Amino acid sequence: DAGVIQSPRHEVTEMGQEVTLRCKPISGHDYLFWYRQTMMRGLELLIYFNNNVPIDDSGMPEDRFSAKMPNASFSTLKIQPSEPRDSAVYFCASSLDRGHRAFFGQGTRLTVV
Amino acid sequence: SQQGEEDPQALSIQEGENATMNCSYKTSINNLQWYRQNSGRGLVHLILIRSNEREKHSGRLRVTLDTSKKSSSLLITASRAADTASYFCATVPHSGGYQKVTFGIGTKLQVIP
Repeated sequence: DAGVIQSPRHEVTEMGQEVTLRCKPISGHDYLFWYRQTMMRGLELLIYFNNNVPIDDSGMPEDRFSAKMPNASFSTLKIQPSEPRDSAVYFCASSLDRGHRAFFGQGTRLTVV
Repeated sequence: SQQGEEDPQALSIQEGENATMNCSYKTSINNLQWYRQNSGRGLVHLILIRSNEREKHSGRLRVTLDTSKKSSSLLITASRAADTASYFCATVPHSGGYQKVTFGIGTKLQVIP
């Protein structure tokens, strides 16, 4: 298995634009997590899914953020409209079970100018 | 708030020395995990220790868990330059609710050749 695949690796966009981050989890993993990492706040859990169903989205900072998982092999995190303070590295991770080890993607470095 | 908090936040040692990092947490856990993150990469799982375990080994890694003190330590023996990375602990709460796996802010380890 290729592991968790995220795209794009880097994204630079202008304030106000819509940004869509993509994630393909490891096949067979029932849990999918979206994290945001910044120097100031460290690694924050934004939302997680179990069997494609969003379970806890209390970490999503604002209504500008939304996430979907239309099927077991694909998830998106959308920011609309984007703002400079959204600049961060966004990680997707998947695991077999909530308490099991998580496998992380390489991340998407987002810069909003 | 962060569940796991690592200390020190930064550690610099000579190659061949041992490195010890600590993690404290606040609520009862199902298990605790340690991850490594190389610069610009995703997190990589190192080791998982369950709440009923006190010590675990994996190669040059040794993890201890003291649930009475709500703390864990990660020891890397005979460190190498390649061990230079940030190290995070992640706590998995007891099941029974959809609770979040939370990460600490990490310990940045530098191993000087």
